[in-house]
Amino acid sequence: RKEVEQDPGPFNVPEGATVAFNCTYSNSASQSFFWYRQDCRKEPKLLMSVYSSGNEDGRFTAQLNRASQYISLLIRDSKLSDSATYLCVVNDRYNFNKFYFGSGTKLNVKP
Amino acid sequence: DAGITQSPRYKITETGRQVTLMCHQTWSHSYMFWYRQDLGHGLRLIYYSAAADITDKGEVPDGYVVSRSKTENFPLTLESATRSQTSVYFCASSEWGLDTDTQYFGPGTRLTVL
Repeated sequence: RKEVEQDPGPFNVPEGATVAFNCTYSNSASQSFFWYRQDCRKEPKLLMSVYSSGNEDGRFTAQLNRASQYISLLIRDSKLSDSATYLCVVNDRYNFNKFYFGSGTKLNVKP
Repeated sequence: DAGITQSPRYKITETGRQVTLMCHQTWSHSYMFWYRQDLGHGLRLIYYSAAADITDKGEVPDGYVVSRSKTENFPLTLESATRSQTSVYFCASSEWGLDTDTQYFGPGTRLTVL
């Protein structure tokens, strides 16, 4: 079983739509949770970190459900520039600070 | 300029040659990581390091060697390159601790082994 699982998509949505991604993780001891954005095999870039139950930054909202071991990312009012692959990342600092990456969810925002 | 850099950005080599990919970070982060990403796949951890002179294997270490004599540098060597090592290689660094353990990535090295 993978440490972090994501729906690979693609999610094809029109501009202005709201889209949500979910991610599940297997290690209940994980402490830190992140969403990264990756464009076309460029380096992943941090979108949001989630240390408590949730975090909001403009059009982006991340939520953490520790009991069910999933993290979600909500994107409101999608822009063409949001088209990318979104990586869910989980960290267990007490296990050699290992980061576990999901395979990513691809988002295509269309005009 | 502060951050994490990788060199070379692009490399073409031949099967059997030794190749070293360089990674340098200016934040003095304790942790550094090497990943590879193959076309259509996710990131896979090759090696990581918790501090200078402390390294450990990740998910796919075979055929690779690392060293970390200085905190800021973490070179990755392919001892005898194979075609299956054609990939994009990302170096990353982070600190340890709540709110400081975000991982930051270098721009990547695209390696082609002919």
